[in-house]
Amino acid sequence: GESVGLHLPTLSVQEGDNSIINCAYSNSASDYFIWYKQESGKGPQFIIDIRSNMDKRQGQRVTVLLNKTVKHLSLQIAATQPGDSAVYFCAEIRGAQKLVFGQGTRLTINP
Amino acid sequence: KAGVTQTPRYLIKTRGQQVTLSCSPISGHRSVSWYQQTPGQGLQFLFEYFSETQRNKGNFPGRFSGRQFSNSRSEMNVSTLELGDSALYLCASSLEPPTSGSSADTQYFGPGTRLTVL
Repeated sequence: GESVGLHLPTLSVQEGDNSIINCAYSNSASDYFIWYKQESGKGPQFIIDIRSNMDKRQGQRVTVLLNKTVKHLSLQIAATQPGDSAVYFCAEIRGAQKLVFGQGTRLTINP
Repeated sequence: KAGVTQTPRYLIKTRGQQVTLSCSPISGHRSVSWYQQTPGQGLQFLFEYFSETQRNKGNFPGRFSGRQFSNSRSEMNVSTLELGDSALYLCASSLEPPTSGSSADTQYFGPGTRLTVL
């Protein structure tokens, strides 16, 4: 069945610290992964993506790491800011070219 | 460029009724996907349309249907509403259908329609 899940449902970090949000997936055939951020009252917002032929990709303050051996994906946010508070979803393109989302991790930034 | 818009933003219906939700994609985007978001099930794929054709469908009963018009605008319908249909319904658009890794696949989401079934 569907199985893109997150290790922790909530994560609290101090402002200025780095955050790491983890995600496990079960389908080794998936070859494209995306991280989305969803703020309260809004739809998910694309953050960064990675293809399976890469193990790391960097954006502005964000880095996605992909470990295909253990089917694990992580999102690192550097120097977290209050505006980073949101729910973060990992998603994968799996069979029939549809997007499958994980349950989400709520990131809270403490001042 | 305007983002994805969804109407209405909020809707309250009673069991047994039907509902139609509307989505206007970003200008130039031809692929529209619909998702249901609930606290218990998370984000679940409903269906995806491209060039007025349904390309993919998720595991939802036939009460859920949709269509896409020639201007790429899309509607989804839910008939015979049940309490469990209460959810946030999200629409996402992209230039091309989701495949594997092209920037043209990137889906941009609207704010959603919050449906409450009483």
